[in-house]
Amino acid sequence: AQTVTQSQPEMSVQEAETVTLSCTYDTSESDYYLFWYKQPPSRQMILVIRQEAYKQQNATENRFSVNFQKAAKSFSLKISDSQLGDAAMYFCAYRNSNTGNQFYFGTGTSLTVIP
Amino acid sequence: NAGVTQTPKFRVLKTGQSMTLLCAQDMNHEYMYWYRQDPGMGLRLIHYSVGEGTTAKGEVPDGYNVSRLKKQNFLLGLESAAPSQTSVYFCASWGMAGDLSYEQFFGPGTRLTVL
Repeated sequence: AQTVTQSQPEMSVQEAETVTLSCTYDTSESDYYLFWYKQPPSRQMILVIRQEAYKQQNATENRFSVNFQKAAKSFSLKISDSQLGDAAMYFCAYRNSNTGNQFYFGTGTSLTVIP
Repeated sequence: NAGVTQTPKFRVLKTGQSMTLLCAQDMNHEYMYWYRQDPGMGLRLIHYSVGEGTTAKGEVPDGYNVSRLKKQNFLLGLESAAPSQTSVYFCASWGMAGDLSYEQFFGPGTRLTVL
């Protein structure tokens, strides 16, 4: 079974600084999706960024970017110019593209932004 | 589009009572999912469906049943609620987003307490 590991239960960053959240995963598949979700106190799950494994280029969405290392099975999220609104739980998730339709989530990283 | 909606938003049950959570999506998605979220454990998949009339077990299916009689609805049932089922329940669907990529769309969640 696939597993997703987030080894940082809590992280903090100064406003306007950069922070990187770590995620590793275990799979024997070659084609899959990886995601980062943000969950603010409202509880709503919000997609931050998505990466398809066949794409070598790292995904970026404004201040959010990923460092996707396929061989190392690593998928970290970098948040640049951190803002107070970035404070939330962040979840890494994996979905196989072909064999199987399930999602696997990490246990989350709680990000605090210090003014 | 309403996206993914869940009914109810909150519920308190006594041990042994039964209830059904309703999930509805208006995006014509084939895939639908039920998750539970517990502190420190991220989201865990209970059951999922790959189309009308189909269901499959996820990671933590015990104590739950599901039905997908209509494509737009995915029901999660608790036949005899237990305190261990106290959790926040999320429904989600998987399908094409506006930019023609695929992503998972989440409902707002249901907070269930079993006394």
